[in-house]
Amino acid sequence: AQKVTQAQTEISVVEKEDVTLDCVYETRDTTYYLFWYKQPPSGELVFLIRRNSFDEQNEISGRYSWNFQKSTSSFNFTITASQVVDSAVYFCALSETKAAGNKLTFGGGTRVLVKP
Amino acid sequence: GAVVSQHPSRVICKSGTSVKIECRSLDFQATTMFWYRQFPKQSLMLMATSNEGSKATYEQGVEKDKFLINHASLTLSTLTVTSAHPEDSSFYICSARRANTDTQYFGPGTRLTVL
Repeated sequence: AQKVTQAQTEISVVEKEDVTLDCVYETRDTTYYLFWYKQPPSGELVFLIRRNSFDEQNEISGRYSWNFQKSTSSFNFTITASQVVDSAVYFCALSETKAAGNKLTFGGGTRVLVKP
Repeated sequence: GAVVSQHPSRVICKSGTSVKIECRSLDFQATTMFWYRQFPKQSLMLMATSNEGSKATYEQGVEKDKFLINHASLTLSTLTVTSAHPEDSSFYICSARRANTDTQYFGPGTRLTVL
């Protein structure tokens, strides 16, 4: 069975600090996808990144960066120089293979509060 | 872009009535749509997977007669909460998977309150 664990339920930082969100996953599939989504107070989930299991390159997009380590089954997310607009709940998710319908298994989410 | 809309965004109804929620992919075709439920301060729980032109696949514990799903076209799926009760009050979110990709794009959600 697929499982995604986000150990941090809530993180509070002051603006301009860096914040790293942890994500650990379990799967028996050899091919899978990992995602991060942002859910601001409005409720809509915003897609941030997709990473397939064969691509372990780290990725940077502006102030966002992701560290995928297959050896530890982790896909951590770092926000550099946080801003108040980064305040949201962030979800890590794992996608099963096409054969299983591409269902997403979500972690419990990490609430990030960035204070001015 | 990949825009998914939901309608209505918010609905309040009396216990015993049925409520229909629409999910549309506006600028792409979605062979598969998903319906999720989210309780306050909790994660998203998948309710069902909806494939265009076929019956939805429900997750364990989700009553198919209670939550009717129809996916009549490549851009529209509907969720009908039948005979709603206060315990059905929740935030319902749909997502659409663009054909030939593995990424789900989410709608803005529908907040249902059953009095």
